[in-house]
Amino acid sequence: GAVVSQHPSWVICKSGTSVKIECRSLDFQATTMFWYRQFPKQSLMLMATSNEGSKATYEQGVEKDKFLINHASLTLSTLTVTSAHPEDSSFYICSATLRGPNTEAFFGQGTRLTVV
Amino acid sequence: RKEVEQDPGPFNVPEGATVAFNCTYSNSASQSFFWYRQDCRKEPKLLMSVYSSGNEDGRFTAQLNRASQYISLLIRDSKLSDSATYLCALRGSSYKLIFGSGTRLLVRP
Repeated sequence: GAVVSQHPSWVICKSGTSVKIECRSLDFQATTMFWYRQFPKQSLMLMATSNEGSKATYEQGVEKDKFLINHASLTLSTLTVTSAHPEDSSFYICSATLRGPNTEAFFGQGTRLTVV
Repeated sequence: RKEVEQDPGPFNVPEGATVAFNCTYSNSASQSFFWYRQDCRKEPKLLMSVYSSGNEDGRFTAQLNRASQYISLLIRDSKLSDSATYLCALRGSSYKLIFGSGTRLLVRP
């Protein structure tokens, strides 16, 4: 199956700093990628849809100025958590889907962010 | 009302038991449904897609009931290795996946 690689797998940062997470599709071109966040014992919550060459579409309640998404190429989307705070500590996961209604979504390995 | 709802469990069953999970959805126009398995601190992995006619993969059977707007997952002959969180998902607009909160399964010896 298709492979999506996410980096880093974990990161610890100080409060107030910014963290960039990368999501790459290794063997296919992904015009659309998705960013999810998962708090402990909760489900994956969709944060935004990343569209290659255009602005990301954010879900209700997600601050676009805090979670910057860039999708500059067909194989790379990045999520930058700006001015991180301890409440941003979470598991962030990206995914990419081949076009079509019943196609599988491929997930990155996830990034565990801890803000201290 | 949430788009996708699941019983969080946990379901605690002995090895060899049969266990079933249900997941309800609110948007009757939804077309594509999936079951994912997620292990602790890992990304979700596709277990199976759910088709209108129902589908089976070894010990796992998935069914879709459009009239009542729910999907189900049946696991037969549970193994210790089946312990995980099972997430149902549906494909929304723009191909995005909407997940349920997950049902935790614990299979004990």
